[in-house]
Amino acid sequence: AQSVSQHNHHVILSEAASLELGCNYSYGGTVNLFWYVQYPGQHLQLLLKYFSGDPLVKGIKGFEAEFIKSKFSFNLRKPSVQWSDTAEYFCAVNARGAAGNKLTFGGGTRVLVKP
Amino acid sequence: ETGVTQTPRHLVMGMTNKKSLKCEQHLGHNAMYWYKQSAKKPLELMFVYNFKEQTENNSVPSRFSPECPNSSHLFLHLHTLQPEDSALYLCASSPLTGTGQGEKLFFGSGTQLSVL
Repeated sequence: AQSVSQHNHHVILSEAASLELGCNYSYGGTVNLFWYVQYPGQHLQLLLKYFSGDPLVKGIKGFEAEFIKSKFSFNLRKPSVQWSDTAEYFCAVNARGAAGNKLTFGGGTRVLVKP
Repeated sequence: ETGVTQTPRHLVMGMTNKKSLKCEQHLGHNAMYWYKQSAKKPLELMFVYNFKEQTENNSVPSRFSPECPNSSHLFLHLHTLQPEDSALYLCASSPLTGTGQGEKLFFGSGTQLSVL
């Protein structure tokens, strides 16, 4: 079974600061990797995903994530955050080819961006 | 709006009550999911349905009973719940491409359940 670990539960930073959220997964096979975001009062939505090819994935709103296979990591980054990036961020993984797209989520990281 | 609608948005029930949560999508997706989001715990997958057939039951207690009458509708029937079952219950749907590339999940807004 796979598991996902997000290192930071809460992150507070100022606008224009750089953001990096850590995500490590545990699984012996090939995986698909995701970052989902939940803005205050809104539903969970996909930020970006990786399944093959270039390990540096670019998503919406200026976010990117890098898959480092040797480290079992898929860290999320944004060079300069905005107040509107305040949200909870979830890393998720599923085994490649798994029936039904069974996603395992990390515990989430709450990000507060101060104006 | 994601195209996945959940009702009710909030539900308060006693331990002896029977209630149902409803999820509906008209995105043409063939997979539907129930997730549980508790405070301070990761999102937990509960059930997966592919083409109306249950393909995953993640060791969920029998007091939670899912039903998928068609690819557009998913229910979660609740009976004799415990206070620790209080949580946000999220429904999601996705296409099934069969490529194994990890389809994007579309989530509903959830039902906030409180068991007294």
